[in-house]
Amino acid sequence: DGGITQSPKYLFRKEGQNVTLSCEQNLNHDAMYWYRQDPGQGLRLIYYSQIVNDFQKGDIAEGYSVSREKKESFPLTVTSAQKNPTAFYLCASTPSPGAGWRHFGDGTRLSIL
Amino acid sequence: GDSVTQMEGPVTLSEEAFLTINCTYTATGYPSLFWYVQYPGEGLQLLLKATKADDKGSNKGFEATYRKETTSFHLEKGSVQVSDSAVYFCALSESYNTDKLIFGTGTRLQVFP
Repeated sequence: DGGITQSPKYLFRKEGQNVTLSCEQNLNHDAMYWYRQDPGQGLRLIYYSQIVNDFQKGDIAEGYSVSREKKESFPLTVTSAQKNPTAFYLCASTPSPGAGWRHFGDGTRLSIL
Repeated sequence: GDSVTQMEGPVTLSEEAFLTINCTYTATGYPSLFWYVQYPGEGLQLLLKATKADDKGSNKGFEATYRKETTSFHLEKGSVQVSDSAVYFCALSESYNTDKLIFGTGTRLQVFP
């Protein structure tokens, strides 16, 4: 079955540490997205990529970085510059940038030790 | 800018009760509208969508009608089940930037036997 695989499901970060969240899709979708979800809030866009080797900042990109070296993969690095990283992170994709809807992975929950 | 407003939860219902979750939007132009559902510990799943005024989206017994005159897209179900317990998100895709998806804050539904 096609879908999006996010790993790990749970991740713990020490202060001052960078961590990388994995997102892999086998849907052959062009566009991929990273969202952050906090309790009682909607999803906020961190970064998105419409094509390989290109990506754009979303609404809350500070303290995060991404790469898109392959169509299938869109890893997110949470850097030590992100002062409040505890959240649920969701990766999503869509066949083309104008499709409007998103297909989501099951998320990674990041916590600070 | 464009925005989505949902009723606050939790919405608590008994099994077989009628469900309405209100969603209103502010948008320039003619956005597409979506309802997503998130079960505990999982990502979001597209539940239904409508792309133009008076369209009715439906899936799994849920319905929502795109009402341009009242800028609303309320989610309804005639008889809820315990398995419908989840968080429901209303979202819009801007007509002039279909790659931007704006989410409401989500409404938690709890259904008791």
